[in-house]
Amino acid sequence: GDSVTQMEGPVTLSEEAFLTINCTYTATGYPSLFWYVQYPGEGLQLLLKATKADDKGSNKGFEATYRKETTSFHLEKGSVQVSDSAVYFCALLGSARQLTFGSGTQLTVLP
Amino acid sequence: GAGVSQSPSNKVTEKGKDVELRCDPISGHTALYWYRQSLGQGLEFLIYFQGNSAPDKSGLPSDRFSAERTGGSVSTLTIQRTQQEDSAVYLCASSLLLSSGANVLTFGAGSRLTVL
Repeated sequence: GDSVTQMEGPVTLSEEAFLTINCTYTATGYPSLFWYVQYPGEGLQLLLKATKADDKGSNKGFEATYRKETTSFHLEKGSVQVSDSAVYFCALLGSARQLTFGSGTQLTVLP
Repeated sequence: GAGVSQSPSNKVTEKGKDVELRCDPISGHTALYWYRQSLGQGLEFLIYFQGNSAPDKSGLPSDRFSAERTGGSVSTLTIQRTQQEDSAVYLCASSLLLSSGANVLTFGAGSRLTVL
């Protein structure tokens, strides 16, 4: 079945540091890939998505590129802010039409 | 409505009692999902409704869990004879079903269930 493996946290960075959260997946066919974010005390929100190989999703300075050859969708941001502190979930939408999530990565950005 | 609405936001119950959690999806969204988020764990798929098709119940953890969706809109998740391990945040999401496969799920704020 479909599965998503993402970098375990927690991750603690200083403000303006570079962020990478690794995500790899296993799926049949051509899934769509997503990053969702959960800010403290809030619900899950879509951060960015990519629907086919080599697509780059981007939002709020975050980027992720759909790499079919490495089955990866790593999340990156060049300069994190304190307000980026949240839990980040990588997810895929496969042929079963349900989102399969990774376990989540807690990010804390220190001023 | 403007977003996915879930109620109650918090529910505390005693072991063995039944609970019902409600979800109002975004108007016009044909797909509705239930997920469970347990402390220290990821998001676990429970059930998926799409239009008039038979629901995908493959994620329900036991026969104590059931869900229905009336009139293609509101959904209720029922947990019978609750156990302490049922304590979690239950998330509902809805989406349009796009042929491109780029369905974007919009999540509600969740219902936090605590079983004493």
